[in-house]
Amino acid sequence: GAVVSQHPSRVICKSGTSVKIECRSLDFQATTMFWYRQFPKKSLMLMATSNEGSKATYEQGVEKDKFLINHASLTLSTLTVTSAHPEDSSFYICSAGGGWDSYNEQFFGPGTRLTVL
Amino acid sequence: QKEVEQDPGPLSVPEGAIVSLNCTYSNSAFQYFMWYRQYSRKGPELLMYTYSSGNKEDGRFTAQVDKSSKYISLFIRDSQPSDSATYLCAIGFNKFYFGSGTKLNVKP
Repeated sequence: GAVVSQHPSRVICKSGTSVKIECRSLDFQATTMFWYRQFPKKSLMLMATSNEGSKATYEQGVEKDKFLINHASLTLSTLTVTSAHPEDSSFYICSAGGGWDSYNEQFFGPGTRLTVL
Repeated sequence: QKEVEQDPGPLSVPEGAIVSLNCTYSNSAFQYFMWYRQYSRKGPELLMYTYSSGNKEDGRFTAQVDKSSKYISLFIRDSQPSDSATYLCAIGFNKFYFGSGTKLNVKP
């Protein structure tokens, strides 16, 4: 399958700081990228969908000013958690869609564990 | 009602057993059905991908979709300790809803 990387794999930050997470598709061009959030023992929750070169589409209840998404190229999308607070601590996972159906064939990155102190 | 329901387990079986994992869903318009395996602190890894109904087999894994019952299953034959992980179903069309995951433990 296609390879998707995320960086960093884990980050610890102080409350009030901003954190940027990168998602890269390494061996294919991802026209669509998805950002998910996963709480312990809970399911993945879709936060937003981004298409290269256009604004992200956020799911209901996700603050777009809090979670800034940029999909500047076909291989890179970034998620910035602005003014992070302890309740933002979670496992953030991206997926990249490509090939014949960029929405329905998704390849996941390894995830980034964010801890806000 | 949740879009996708999955028994969280945990499910503990001896090595070599046949494992059955299941999900139910609510929206009959969903057409894509996927199973992911997730090891602790890692991202999900795609195992099986099915479009519409029917069965699909890949090695020791078989995915079944029953659209009339809105029920999908993943069977693992000859289970191995390395199969110990959390298994997530994902169902939808253009947007996916994930089950909460079933934690499987295969004992040597």
